[in-house]
Amino acid sequence: SQTIHQWPATLVQPVGSPLSLECTVEGTSNPNLYWYRQAAGRGLQLLFYSVGIGQISSEVPQNLSASRPQDRQFILSSKKLLLSDSGFYLCAWSNPEAVRTGNTIYFGEGSWLTVV
Amino acid sequence: AQKVTQAQTEISVVEKEDVTLDCVYETRDTTYYLFWYKQPPSGELVFLIRRNSFDEQNEISGRYSWNFQKSTSSFNFTITASQVVDSAVYFCALSGITQGGSEKLVFGKGTKLTVNP
Repeated sequence: SQTIHQWPATLVQPVGSPLSLECTVEGTSNPNLYWYRQAAGRGLQLLFYSVGIGQISSEVPQNLSASRPQDRQFILSSKKLLLSDSGFYLCAWSNPEAVRTGNTIYFGEGSWLTVV
Repeated sequence: AQKVTQAQTEISVVEKEDVTLDCVYETRDTTYYLFWYKQPPSGELVFLIRRNSFDEQNEISGRYSWNFQKSTSSFNFTITASQVVDSAVYFCALSGITQGGSEKLVFGKGTKLTVNP
């Protein structure tokens, strides 16, 4: 069965410091990968998605970037964090082979980021 | 652009009451998919159900049921005989397909359900 893990689960970082959140998926090949952010009271917002190694699409302009160095690894980064980057970050995956039949997107456990 | 509206920000019920969570969506796609996710206090989003736009049959799974009405663009979720463990934030989501062929979920802002003993 497929599993998704992301870490760290909780992070407190000072303003201006770098960020690296990592996500890995097991049990599937060539998944579509996503990073979502959930800010307080604002629902979930898609930040990045990837359909393959090195292929990253950004949904919103921001202080963050994403990379996919391996097929099942997705990394969310920032060179200098802002206070507004605080939130709950969720990695997710879906199976691309049946994308047009309404694949379900499955989420990881999430990472709480507090920028102080 | 696609949009999902969950007008109920918070709902509080007493255990064993039935509760309905509303979801209204907007899309220009002729084929689309609707989802409900549950987010307990731990934070993880748990998939509950997926519904195709061409299948308007209602679905029941235990105490959970979903009412899809294409004519009113609604996909409402009912919990029968609610329990304290049902307390969570519930998200309705609408799927589209990006130009790159990737699934993309647009979420409502969620409804926080509190079930009191």
